[in-house]
Amino acid sequence: DAGVIQSPRHEVTEMGQEVTLRCKPISGHNSLFWYRQTMMRGLELLIYFNNNVPIDDSGMPEDRFSAKMPNASFSTLKIQPSEPRDSAVYFCASSRDAAYEQYFGPGTRLTVT
Amino acid sequence: RKEVEQDPGPFNVPEGATVAFNCTYSNSASQSFFWYRQDCRKEPKLLMSVYSSGNEDGRFTAQLNRASQYISLLIRDSKLSDSATYLCAVMGGSYIPTFGRGTSLIVHP
Repeated sequence: DAGVIQSPRHEVTEMGQEVTLRCKPISGHNSLFWYRQTMMRGLELLIYFNNNVPIDDSGMPEDRFSAKMPNASFSTLKIQPSEPRDSAVYFCASSRDAAYEQYFGPGTRLTVT
Repeated sequence: RKEVEQDPGPFNVPEGATVAFNCTYSNSASQSFFWYRQDCRKEPKLLMSVYSSGNEDGRFTAQLNRASQYISLLIRDSKLSDSATYLCAVMGGSYIPTFGRGTSLIVHP
């Protein structure tokens, strides 16, 4: 079975540009999580969906960040406009139900110059 | 007090050694606990869930101490390939997971 799929794997963009990160969860999983990882702050939960519905977005840094999950097999995380401090690795993870273990995608390494 | 705390290490041990990591958590209502392994520039990968009765998977043993609010991971007969960062994850009733910052393990020949 395919694991969690993320694209792109690497993104380099200039400050002010819009960035869209994509995630395909494992088939049959109904919970999806977006994380950001930096050396300074570790792994931070940004937003969590259950059955395509955003349940908790308290970790989203600010209005420049938005996330959608239009269906069970696709989610996006958008940053508009991007800033250098957004540079990080963004992981998507899914689980068969919220209380269960999570499986992470390979991540998107974002660099904003 | 941080929600989930880990000693960042690094723990530097020779092959064959036994090493143990702890992870403390502050929310006494936490219900689910996990250990993940993360290699450099890779994603976290589930190592094992932590059950109330403790559980073992080969050379790895995980335990939960609810009274003192910590989980532990014991690695026996360390291999070079065990070198990685080990993250603990704690989940409360809201199903919002909190990850520790990780403990770095270096196993040397």
